[in-house]
Amino acid sequence: DAGITQSPRYKITETGRQVTLMCHQTWSHSYMFWYRQDLGHGLRLIYYSAAADITDKGEVPDGYVVSRSKTENFPLTLESATRSQTSVYFCASSEGLAGESTDTQYFGPGTRLTVL
Amino acid sequence: AQKVTQAQTEISVVEKEDVTLDCVYETRDTTYYLFWYKQPPSGELVFLIRRNSFDEQNEISGRYSWNFQKSTSSFNFTITASQVVDSAVYFCALSEAWAGSARQLTFGSGTQLTVLP
Repeated sequence: DAGITQSPRYKITETGRQVTLMCHQTWSHSYMFWYRQDLGHGLRLIYYSAAADITDKGEVPDGYVVSRSKTENFPLTLESATRSQTSVYFCASSEGLAGESTDTQYFGPGTRLTVL
Repeated sequence: AQKVTQAQTEISVVEKEDVTLDCVYETRDTTYYLFWYKQPPSGELVFLIRRNSFDEQNEISGRYSWNFQKSTSSFNFTITASQVVDSAVYFCALSEAWAGSARQLTFGSGTQLTVLP
């Protein structure tokens, strides 16, 4: 059971380039999330998705685009990368249903992105 | 708006010592969930515990225990007899149970725990 995977794990790009980070989960979870982790800020939500074709902004969405055509995939695109987007990006998923056993978010291994 | 504060940025202890990581939260909701995650040096985020706001019972799992006190809006995490493998960044997080949307997690800034041999 692969769980939740992210690719690439490491990426170096240049300012102005488009970059897409991939996230794939095998649990058929309804909800998926993208966070960025920066020193001193913990994790901040970028975008989330409640289901295929349903996405919404989080705390820090500017400069990012997401899509979700299939339940299992939730790619994050930086349309024109900036140095301030250098960060570690985490994808997460949760069942999203009511009930005690759900709503825990499980995280992927992260992608370390450097924008030069 | 919800907020999570982890005032301890870094803690260093010697192996076998007990250590408590503090977490204070703010929320206007009466129903919410609290979480702890561990981030070891390898970088992944590992889920440790989830608590419902209606359940104030303390929980123990091996060397880990959690103290949830609604009166002080705190959800503290204690590691008993710490080990070097406990060295990690620990995050406390809060999710409000409001209808119609994902239960978004708000994270604290994390506490770096170093356990020295």
